[in-house]
Amino acid sequence: AQSVTQPDIHITVSEGASLELRCNYSYGATPYLFWYVQSPGQGLQLLLKYFSGDTLVQGIKGFEAEFKRSQSSFNLRKPSVHWSDAAEYFCAVGAEGTASKLTFGTGTRLQVTL
Amino acid sequence: DTAVSQTPKYLVTQMGNDKSIKCEQNLGHDTMYWYKQDSKKFLKIMFSYNNKELIINETVPNRFSPKSPDKAHLNLHINSLELGDSAVYFCASSQRGTGTYEQYFGPGTRLTVT
Repeated sequence: AQSVTQPDIHITVSEGASLELRCNYSYGATPYLFWYVQSPGQGLQLLLKYFSGDTLVQGIKGFEAEFKRSQSSFNLRKPSVHWSDAAEYFCAVGAEGTASKLTFGTGTRLQVTL
Repeated sequence: DTAVSQTPKYLVTQMGNDKSIKCEQNLGHDTMYWYKQDSKKFLKIMFSYNNKELIINETVPNRFSPKSPDKAHLNLHINSLELGDSAVYFCASSQRGTGTYEQYFGPGTRLTVT
């Protein structure tokens, strides 16, 4: 069964600083990987996804993520954080054949200081 | 214009009551889901329907009964509510067979059982 680990529960960065949120997955075959963002009191919005091809994927709001098979990682990055990026970020994995089932990590709460 | 909508947004009820949450999507998707997010923000899939057929049924108490009258709707009925049912319930939808597997989430329904 697939699983996702987000090692950082809470991260604080200054506005304008760079950001990297970590995500490690466990699955034997090719995973389908996603990053979602949840603002307070809101639903989940898809930031970006990886299925195949280029291992560096671009998403909305200036986010990108890199798939590294050797490290079983799919870390989310942003070169310059804005105060409006403060939210909860979830990494998720779907397995081929059962990709309709997403397994989520426990989330990383991002706080942005001005 | 909301893609995935849920009603109600908030639901406060007493233990032992029966309640329903409704979900509708206007994206033309054929697959819908219910997720539960607990107080620690952990998201876990409960059910998934494809073309009104149940395809995922995680280990959820049988007090929870999903119903899909058509592809655009997936309702969740909960009998004999318990304190532990307090959570945020998210509906989501996706389109199978497109190779993308991304899921679109509703705004959530915060259920509080007293």
